[in-house]
Amino acid sequence: GENVEQHPSTLSVQEGDSAVIKCTYSDSASNYFPWYKQELGKGPQLIIDIRSNVGEKKDQRIAVTLNKTAKHFSLHITETQPEDSAVYFCAARIAAGNKLTFGGGTRVLVKP
Amino acid sequence: DAGVTQSPTHLIKTRGQQVTLRCSPKSGHDTVSWYQQALGQGPQFIFQYYEEEERQRGNFPDRFSGHQFPNYSSELNVNALLLGDSALYLCASTSRSAVYPGELFFGEGSRLTVL
Repeated sequence: GENVEQHPSTLSVQEGDSAVIKCTYSDSASNYFPWYKQELGKGPQLIIDIRSNVGEKKDQRIAVTLNKTAKHFSLHITETQPEDSAVYFCAARIAAGNKLTFGGGTRVLVKP
Repeated sequence: DAGVTQSPTHLIKTRGQQVTLRCSPKSGHDTVSWYQQALGQGPQFIFQYYEEEERQRGNFPDRFSGHQFPNYSSELNVNALLLGDSALYLCASTSRSAVYPGELFFGEGSRLTVL
């Protein structure tokens, strides 16, 4: 089955700096890659996603890139703010309606 | 527009007991999935329900069972609880007829502690 690895497990950045989280997936049939943000005591919240027919997608300070050949995708957060502090999860899915396979998560701490 | 709602938010059980968790999907959604999230880990897929039938199942024992009702709400049942079942149980919903099918929206979860 699909396996998703996520790095780093923790990331500490200074407010205003950029943060990058990287994920690799194992199944080349995966075609949908969402990113979730989970704050303490809450459920995961979808922040951005990318489909396999697109190489890059941007939404304000957040961008995601996908390299299908290398089977990896990354989340980029620019101009980080304290409210960006949370745990971020990448995930992959083979087909619509199918299950999501999650990475292990990255705990991001933005220091003011 | 109400999102995914789950109940109860917290509960404590003892080993061997049974638990039922409940989920109401986001308005307009017809598919419900359940995930287990152990402390410090990513969510793990348990199963998915659509049209009141289990459509997919992850690597979980038969002690985990579920149900979907005609109004699309769902229940997760766990029998013969083990200490290792302590986790945050997340319900997620989606619509198979959406423009972008498969976007999953999660509830806040039910935190189960087994003593």
